[in-house]
Amino acid sequence: QKEVEQDPGPLSVPEGAIVSLNCTYSNSAFQYFMWYRQYSRKGPELLMYTYSSGNKEDGRFTAQVDKSSKYISLFIRDSQPSDSATYLCAMSRGASNYQLIWGAGTKLIIKP
Amino acid sequence: SAVISQKPSRDICQRGTSLTIQCQVDSQVTMMFWYRQQPGQSLTLIATANQGSEATYESGFVIDKFPISRPNLTFSTLTVSNMSPEDSSIYLCSVEGGPAGGYTFGSGTRLTVV
Repeated sequence: QKEVEQDPGPLSVPEGAIVSLNCTYSNSAFQYFMWYRQYSRKGPELLMYTYSSGNKEDGRFTAQVDKSSKYISLFIRDSQPSDSATYLCAMSRGASNYQLIWGAGTKLIIKP
Repeated sequence: SAVISQKPSRDICQRGTSLTIQCQVDSQVTMMFWYRQQPGQSLTLIATANQGSEATYESGFVIDKFPISRPNLTFSTLTVSNMSPEDSSIYLCSVEGGPAGGYTFGSGTRLTVV
């Protein structure tokens, strides 16, 4: 079993829809959780960075962490075609622990 | 956050040859990281490169296959040696930090070995 599981998709939704992307994990020691967005032929770029449980909002994006269920989510409101990309979750035990554990990524397609 | 220039962006190589990938950062950084990203799989850390010391390799990766140089605080290279088709992948360099934490990545090198 992988430490981090992420549905590869593709997930295809119409423009304007609310998108929910998810990862589950098995290691309860993870404390730091990140979401990256990766456009085709580009490197991943950080979208959201959260510590422990709870919600964090940034514009149209909301990251949610449920440590009791070992489940993290990224919500995208009012989705746009420019949001079409692969979204990767990553997590680690410590803030300075560079040994991130990555999900395989979910490919998201927003249809105009 | 740091800006990373990585090159080449892509290459097609013959098996048995070697390719050196360069990564230039616009600011001084202590650690640089090299990743491999295979289709449909999660990012895999190959090694961590500190300036002035030997790179630290993750399980499954060895220096003879992936030699790394780190001559100063803004530059690193990764060489993929004696390539086989199984080495076809995207290779990414990364550094720590940014206004929101996390890591910054280069655009990647898409390698195809034929």
